[in-house]
Amino acid sequence: GAVVSQHPSWVICKSGTSVKIECRSLDFQATTMFWYRQFPKQSLMLMATSNEGSKATYEQGVEKDKFLINHASLTLSTLTVTSAHPEDSSFYICSAREVLTGELFFGEGSRLTVL
Amino acid sequence: QQQVKQSPQSLIVQKGGISIINCAYENTAFDYFPWYQQFPGKGPALLIAIRPDVSEKKEGRFTISFNKSAKQFSLHIMDSQPGDSATYFCAGRGEYGGATNKLIFGTGTLLAVQP
Repeated sequence: GAVVSQHPSWVICKSGTSVKIECRSLDFQATTMFWYRQFPKQSLMLMATSNEGSKATYEQGVEKDKFLINHASLTLSTLTVTSAHPEDSSFYICSAREVLTGELFFGEGSRLTVL
Repeated sequence: QQQVKQSPQSLIVQKGGISIINCAYENTAFDYFPWYQQFPGKGPALLIAIRPDVSEKKEGRFTISFNKSAKQFSLHIMDSQPGDSATYFCAGRGEYGGATNKLIFGTGTLLAVQP
């Protein structure tokens, strides 16, 4: 099946710093990617929809200035957590929608810990 | 309108038994209902999916039963194995290309299959 790669898989940072997470579709093109956040023992909550070449669409309650999303190419979307705080510690997961089939493929997730 | 309710929250099944997880949705615009399996520290992986024009889909030991009128669907895992122990999420998605084409996840079910 198609592969979606996330990097880094885990990151620890100090409070107040910014962290960038990359989501790449390795063997297919994705005009749309989705970013989810998952707290321990909870479900995946959609944060935003990332569209190639245009601004991301954020879900209600998600601060767009805090979670910056860039989808510069058909295979790469990035999520930057700006001025991270301990409450931003979570598991961030991306998914990419294959252009031809509409199938969704998920990355392995990125564990962010803010000290 | 966007909720997908899932039950039970956790489930313990003996090896060889049948695991049953239920989901109910509200949004009648959903036209694709996947089930995902997630192991700790990993992203979700597509297990099986169904569209509302069929009432049942079977793939190996996994079966989805779908009741469109009741807006409910369920996952049956036959001959459950310890390796099936994971968290399972149901989801609903709007029509591909439509304005509501986002994947909305259920709350998750933690399955433990005892040897």
